[in-house]
Amino acid sequence: GAVVSQHPSRVICKSGTSVKIECRSLDFQATTMFWYRQFPKQSLMLMATSNEGSKATYEQGVEKDKFLINHASLTLSTLTVTSAHPEDSSFYICSAREGGMGNQPQHFGDGTRLSIL
Amino acid sequence: GNSVTQMEGPVTLSEEAFLTINCTYTATGYPSLFWYVQYPGEGLQLLLKATKADDKGSNKGFEATYRKETTSFHLEKGSVQVSDSAVYFCALFPNTGNQFYFGTGTSLTVIP
Repeated sequence: GAVVSQHPSRVICKSGTSVKIECRSLDFQATTMFWYRQFPKQSLMLMATSNEGSKATYEQGVEKDKFLINHASLTLSTLTVTSAHPEDSSFYICSAREGGMGNQPQHFGDGTRLSIL
Repeated sequence: GNSVTQMEGPVTLSEEAFLTINCTYTATGYPSLFWYVQYPGEGLQLLLKATKADDKGSNKGFEATYRKETTSFHLEKGSVQVSDSAVYFCALFPNTGNQFYFGTGTSLTVIP
């Protein structure tokens, strides 16, 4: 079945560091990829929708200069947390939608646990 | 608007017990409904789905029926196993729209 690979799975770094997270669709082309953030004991919250070859669409309240998204190819989207601070510590999950239909299930990566010291 | 309300956890059951996790939704139009499972340290995996009213999704012994009259999509399993311990998310995808709406997740622990 379709697989989405997310890397790295865990990052621990100092405050002020920028961290890049990669999301790859391994056996299908993903025109659209999604980035979610999950706070402890809370649900996934959509941060932004990433479209290949165009600017990402950010949800209300998400700082686009803080969370840089690049979707340079049909199989790769990256999320860069710039100048990360402890409040950015969270679980980040990407997903990719297969095909052009809006209601196709999204395939999720395994997530990245980001801890900022 | 669109939203999902999910039974709060955590839920602790003995092995072979019956499981129900309640999920109700609010949506415009006719959404597709999903249950995702998140095992410890892993990402979300699709467990089952239903795309129209009265459809029943099933997988790995889990079932959920799309009930339009009660706007519900409760997850059930007749006999849980220790390996079912995970967090379960109910989600909807509107028929017009581009994003999922998730419930807050229900943590299930099954003890031997």
